Amino acid sequence: EAQVTQNPRYLITVTGKKLTVTCSQNMNHEYMSWYRQDPGLGLRQIYYSMNVEVTDKGDVPEGYKVSRKEKRNFPLILESPSPNQTSLYFCASSLIPGAEQYFGPGTRLTVT
Amino acid sequence: GIQVEQSPPDLILQEGANSTLRCNFSDSVNNLQWFHQNPWGQLINLFYIPSGTKQNGRLSATTVATERYSLLYISSSQTTDSGVYFCADNTNAGKSTFGDGTTLTVKP
Repeated sequence: EAQVTQNPRYLITVTGKKLTVTCSQNMNHEYMSWYRQDPGLGLRQIYYSMNVEVTDKGDVPEGYKVSRKEKRNFPLILESPSPNQTSLYFCASSLIPGAEQYFGPGTRLTVT
Repeated sequence: GIQVEQSPPDLILQEGANSTLRCNFSDSVNNLQWFHQNPWGQLINLFYIPSGTKQNGRLSATTVATERYSLLYISSSQTTDSGVYFCADNTNAGKSTFGDGTTLTVKP
């Protein structure tokens, strides 16, 4: 089944404890992207990747890191999480930039 | 970057009613996509519609890129249509901008 998977789906952590949210797609898509969604707001883009080893900042990149070493994986790294990073995170992929995006199930992160 | 404005922000309907949701853009629309976020938070693709009109069952969408807007029509609404509807502009350069959504509640 063609899909985007994220892990974990739910995470509660403490301020300053490094964490990684994994994202994987099995559709051989070139483009991948991370978003965060806060209550009452739409999704805001954190980082995106046009292809392997090519990443760029979205609208809200502060406090996050990404890497794209393989085509199928695009992990999101929070080196020192803070409470203002409590949010619902989505990973997405598309065949090429600008094409129809497919979203993962989301990761609900709480930082205390 | 492009600004995306969705209207109305909230909409309450009786089951069976029709509705129109709108997205306005501050600049030329690139590649427009409509989503439905269900009450469990899942994002469901509705339409990828850079221009023109598409229909899928009770739903249809129209994008007029030159006039910077897109419309989503829901006919004969059902309670399962409840949730938040988002439009997003996907550029060929990788940037993607979402509106703040329209929250739809369909009452039985």
